[in-house]
Amino acid sequence: AQSVSQHNHHVILSEAASLELGCNYSYGGTVNLFWYVQYPGQHLQLLLKYFSGDPLVKGIKGFEAEFIKSKFSFNLRKPSVQWSDTAEYFCAVNARTGRRALTFGSGTRLQVQP
Amino acid sequence: NAGVTQTPKFQVLKTGQSMTLQCAQDMNHEYMSWYRQDPGMGLRLIHYSVGAGITDQGEVPNGYNVSRSTTEDFPLRLLSAAPSQTSVYFCASSTRSLDGYTFGSGTRLTVV
Repeated sequence: AQSVSQHNHHVILSEAASLELGCNYSYGGTVNLFWYVQYPGQHLQLLLKYFSGDPLVKGIKGFEAEFIKSKFSFNLRKPSVQWSDTAEYFCAVNARTGRRALTFGSGTRLQVQP
Repeated sequence: NAGVTQTPKFQVLKTGQSMTLQCAQDMNHEYMSWYRQDPGMGLRLIHYSVGAGITDQGEVPNGYNVSRSTTEDFPLRLLSAAPSQTSVYFCASSTRSLDGYTFGSGTRLTVV
């Protein structure tokens, strides 16, 4: 079965700072990779996804992520965060064969201070 | 609006009571799943379904039942509620290609 690790549980940044959130997964086969965002009191929304091709993926709201296969990593980045980026961020994977449900990391709470 | 609809949004149960959380989607998605979200633990898969008439267990299935009689609906039943089932429950659906899941707005359940 696959598993996902998010290294940062709580990150506090000032506006305009750069962001990088770590995500590593464990699975022997091919996976699809996702980042979701959950704003306070809301449901999860898809930020970006990677299936194949260019390992640098661009998503909504200026976010991007890079898939590094050799490191089993899919880190999320944003060059300059805004106060409105305050939210919880979840990395998720699903295997392309077998049980293909999403497996989530434990999440990273991002707090952006004005 | 197309999407995943969950009802109710909030529910308080007494220990031992049973209830059903409803989930419906109007996107003709084959894949549906239920997750529970607890602080510091992310979302954990309870049950999932790859199509009408087919369901399977996820990571934390104990105390929950599901059925999938139609493509649109995927209800989650709590047989005998326990305080450990206090959580926020999310339903999600996806196409067969699993290229992106759509989540419902969640049900916040408190068991006292």
